[in-house]
Amino acid sequence: GAVVSQHPSWVICKSGTSVKIECRSLDFQATTMFWYRQFPKQSLMLMATSNEGSKATYEQGVEKDKFLINHASLTLSTLTVTSAHPEDSSFYICSARTLRNTEAFFGQGTRLTVV
Amino acid sequence: KQEVTQIPAALSVPEGENLVLNCSFTDSAIYNLQWFRQDPGKGLTSLLLIQSSQREQTSGRLNASLDKSSGRSTLYIAASQPGDSATYLCAVPTQGGSEKLVFGKGTKLTVNP
Repeated sequence: GAVVSQHPSWVICKSGTSVKIECRSLDFQATTMFWYRQFPKQSLMLMATSNEGSKATYEQGVEKDKFLINHASLTLSTLTVTSAHPEDSSFYICSARTLRNTEAFFGQGTRLTVV
Repeated sequence: KQEVTQIPAALSVPEGENLVLNCSFTDSAIYNLQWFRQDPGKGLTSLLLIQSSQREQTSGRLNASLDKSSGRSTLYIAASQPGDSATYLCAVPTQGGSEKLVFGKGTKLTVNP
């Protein structure tokens, strides 16, 4: 299947700092990527849709100024958690498809811990 | 609003047993349904994608069925192995053919040697 690569796999940062997470489609181009968040023992929740060349669209309740998304190329989307706080500690994971209505492929995820 | 429920939340079986995981969803107007596997602290691995026009899909020891009208899907694992131990997630589009997915909380499977 297609490969989606996410970096870093884990990060620890101090409260108030910003953290950038990268999501790359390695063997296909993705005009749209999706960012999800997963809290312990909870299901994945969609945060936002990353659109190449245009603004991201955010799900209800997700602060766009806190979670900055940039989709600068057809193979790269980045999620920046700005002014991180301990409650932002979570597992962040991205996904993309090669074509509409086909399998969604996910990255390895990023475990963010804010101390 | 689409909601996905997975039963049971956890399952422990001896090696070699056949088992069934269940997934139900509230909005049956979906284009497809996907089953994933997630190992602890890891990302998701796609197992099977079933299109709305299909009733089942098979991959090796895995067989997934879809009954759109009743809003249900099952994942059948034959001859389970310890390596099958993981959390299994079911996901459907938020609506119709949306690329946005709604996930269940998963079934944590433990296969004991």
